[in-house]
Amino acid sequence: AQSVTQLGSHVSVSEGALVLLRCNYSSSVPPYLFWYVQYPNQGLQLLLKYTSAATLVKGINGFEAEFKKSETSFHLTKPSAHMSDAAEYFCAVSHPGGYNKLIFGAGTRLAVHP
Amino acid sequence: EAGVTQFPSHSVIEKGQTVTLRCDPISGHDNLYWYRRVMGKEIKFLLHFVKESKQDESGMPNNRFLAERTGGTYSTLKVQPAELEDSGVYFCASSPGQAGLDTEAFFGQGTRLTVV
Repeated sequence: AQSVTQLGSHVSVSEGALVLLRCNYSSSVPPYLFWYVQYPNQGLQLLLKYTSAATLVKGINGFEAEFKKSETSFHLTKPSAHMSDAAEYFCAVSHPGGYNKLIFGAGTRLAVHP
Repeated sequence: EAGVTQFPSHSVIEKGQTVTLRCDPISGHDNLYWYRRVMGKEIKFLLHFVKESKQDESGMPNNRFLAERTGGTYSTLKVQPAELEDSGVYFCASSPGQAGLDTEAFFGQGTRLTVV
């Protein structure tokens, strides 16, 4: 069975600081991995996805994530936080060929303060 | 192009009542998914339609929940009778074709259901 663990339900950073949101997964087969973001009063938006190509994946808004098989991790980073990055972030995994049935983590709410 | 549309955006009902949530996927998307997030917990898969057929309904919590997608266009999710534990945000998503490298699930804004 697949599962996702996001360490830290709340993360707070200063504007301009590094953003690091942690995600570890469990899967019996090489998975597809995703990061979604939910801004206030909006739906989930795909930030980036890993689908067995390059292990370092670049997404929108300056975010990137690195797939590390040995650590079963897919942490999300951004070198410099912006106030507009304040949102809730979700890591998800799916089974290749399993349509888009996503298994989500519990989410991490990112706060950015001046 | 319109995105995935869900309504109502909010619904407050009393325990024992019936509520119907609606999702309009992106035009042409064969795949439609329902997910639910109970407060503070992870978003959980409920079911998946391919056109009008239920591909996977393994996440449906019990027989109080009924999902339909007549004609393969919009979908409804009915909860009857509603219980307190049904409160949460219900998300709908759609995607074209089969999941793979070039597909993406597009999510709606969700319906916040509160059962009192």
